[in-house]
Amino acid sequence: EADIYQTPRYLVIGTGKKITLECSQTMGHDKMYWYQQDPGMELHLIHYSYGVNSTEKGDLSSESTVSRIRTEHFPLTLESARPSHTSQYLCASSEAKFGYTFGSGTRLTVV
Amino acid sequence: GNSVTQMEGPVTLSEEAFLTINCTYTATGYPSLFWYVQYPGEGLQLLLKATKADDKGSNKGFEATYRKETTSFHLEKGSVQVSDSAVYFCALIGMDSSYKLIFGSGTRLLVRP
Repeated sequence: EADIYQTPRYLVIGTGKKITLECSQTMGHDKMYWYQQDPGMELHLIHYSYGVNSTEKGDLSSESTVSRIRTEHFPLTLESARPSHTSQYLCASSEAKFGYTFGSGTRLTVV
Repeated sequence: GNSVTQMEGPVTLSEEAFLTINCTYTATGYPSLFWYVQYPGEGLQLLLKATKADDKGSNKGFEATYRKETTSFHLEKGSVQVSDSAVYFCALIGMDSSYKLIFGSGTRLLVRP
């Protein structure tokens, strides 16, 4: 079944640690996205990719980085986590203008 | 630039009440319009969509009609259930080549038994 997977679902980690949030999709979509969702619910685009070896920063500045080495995989990395990075991170993929498919999200808490 | 405005919540209703969540947009041409739903602790699910003027999207008893003249895409349901309690996001993809999904700020719906 075509889908998009995010791991882990929940992560509690100490300040200064390096973390990678995983995102994989089985739909063969070229376009993939990372959103950050704050406690007030608003969604902010932080990174996107239109294909292999293509990555762009989104509308909200983020200290995270992404890579796109394979079509199906779009991981997000924080080199040194801080409490201000505590948030929910949502990954999505899309085919043209037909709408996005979202993963279940990773809820990150940095202590 | 493109933008979406939706009514602030929370919206609190009794079971079987009629639901309307207002959504208006700003965009050139004919964007594609969407409603997404987020249940507690989960990611976003596509609820319905419309890609051209006068189209009606529908799913699970929810409906929304693409109104070009009023630049609106209001979400309606005739009889809500407790299980409809969630956050609802209106969104659009513009006609530019960015394919970015632009969200409204979300509306929390609470349905009481």
